[in-house]
Amino acid sequence: TQLLEQSPQFLSIQEGENLTVYCNSSSVFSSLQWYRQEPGEGPVLLVTVVTGGEVKKLKRLTFQFGDARKDSSLHITAAQPGDTGLYLCAGASNYQLIWGAGTKLIIKP
Amino acid sequence: DVKVTQSSRYLVKRTGEKVFLECVQDMDHENMFWYRQDPGLGLRLIYFSYDVKMKEKGDIPEGYSVSREKKERFSLILESASTNQTSMYLCASSLNLYYEQYFGPGTRLTVT
Repeated sequence: TQLLEQSPQFLSIQEGENLTVYCNSSSVFSSLQWYRQEPGEGPVLLVTVVTGGEVKKLKRLTFQFGDARKDSSLHITAAQPGDTGLYLCAGASNYQLIWGAGTKLIIKP
Repeated sequence: DVKVTQSSRYLVKRTGEKVFLECVQDMDHENMFWYRQDPGLGLRLIYFSYDVKMKEKGDIPEGYSVSREKKERFSLILESASTNQTSMYLCASSLNLYYEQYFGPGTRLTVT
């Protein structure tokens, strides 16, 4: 069974701090997607990383795909209350997406 | 703007009732998915469909069935609702089985 473990499960920090969320597996993925889900809504795609070692930036969010394509990280610089939400990673393997359990992020003003 | 809609945002049903959850997408996507989401467990795939009238079991199909008579519509059926099926149900669609998935807003189902 393929597993994608996210850590931490929960993170509550003050506005302006930096944070990193991790997504780890023993399996290799052809690509990895990061989604954000706000309360009462479905997840929305933030980014897809495809190449081992790839780094993508989306304003204050930096996404990295591990060299071996087994893990990924999301780093947020100077977090803002608008970053609050559930962050989910999903790895593509064998024509399906394997989902992590999510990191619930709260940014306090 | 792409859109996935779900028939209800909130639903309360009694144990033993038959429950229908409907999902419609306007993107002409081949693939549609039903997930349930519970705290700490992430998204668990119930069923997916890769074409009209085609369906495949996901990780937790027990107690559920699905119907896809038209490309844009994918229905989830709880044959006899039970309290352990109280959950958030999310529908999604995608162009390819592992491309970006577009989600509906979810249906929060409570079975009493």
